[in-house]
Amino acid sequence: AQTVTQSQPEMSVQEAETVTLSCTYDTSENNYYLFWYKQPPSRQMILVIRQEAYKQQNATENRFSVNFQKAAKSFSLKISDSQLGDTAMYFCAFMDSGGGADGLTFGKGTHLIIQP
Amino acid sequence: EAGVAQSPRYKIIEKRQSVAFWCNPISGHATLYWYQQILGQGPKLLIQFQNNGVVDDSQLPKDRFSAERLKGVDSTLKIQPAKLEDSAVYLCASSLGWNSNYGYTFGSGTRLTVV
Repeated sequence: AQTVTQSQPEMSVQEAETVTLSCTYDTSENNYYLFWYKQPPSRQMILVIRQEAYKQQNATENRFSVNFQKAAKSFSLKISDSQLGDTAMYFCAFMDSGGGADGLTFGKGTHLIIQP
Repeated sequence: EAGVAQSPRYKIIEKRQSVAFWCNPISGHATLYWYQQILGQGPKLLIQFQNNGVVDDSQLPKDRFSAERLKGVDSTLKIQPAKLEDSAVYLCASSLGWNSNYGYTFGSGTRLTVV
């Protein structure tokens, strides 16, 4: 079974700063998908960004980008020009190439606090 | 498009009581998932439906948890009898198909407190 590890339980930065959240995973698969989800106090999990393992190019979505290191099994999220609304729990998640019965496997999350 | 609807939003029950959660997925989404999120942890998959059939329920504590998805649309998750350790947020999610690799759309969850 795949495992996802987020080693930073909580991070705090000032508004407008850049912050990087870490994620590592363990799998024997060669093709898979990685995701970052945001969970604000409303509890709804919101997809932030998605990466396909067979693509070397790092995914970007506006202020959000990833650093995907396949050999190191590392998938970090960088948030540029952080905003107060970015305050939330952030979860890294893994899905094997078949989607399939295992669904999404999540890490324990990082609580990100953006200070004014 | 409407999102994934869940109810109730909060529920407090005593241990050994029963409780049920309801989920209405996005229209046209064939696959529906129930996740359990214990405080301080990431969501854990309990059960996955493809239309009205179960794809995987290996993580579902079947002695007390049950779930159904009649007619392949709405779903209910039931706990009977509840234990203190069942206190968690129960998230429902849906996707177009079981092999959808674009992620899932989640509802806002039900926060269950067992006292």
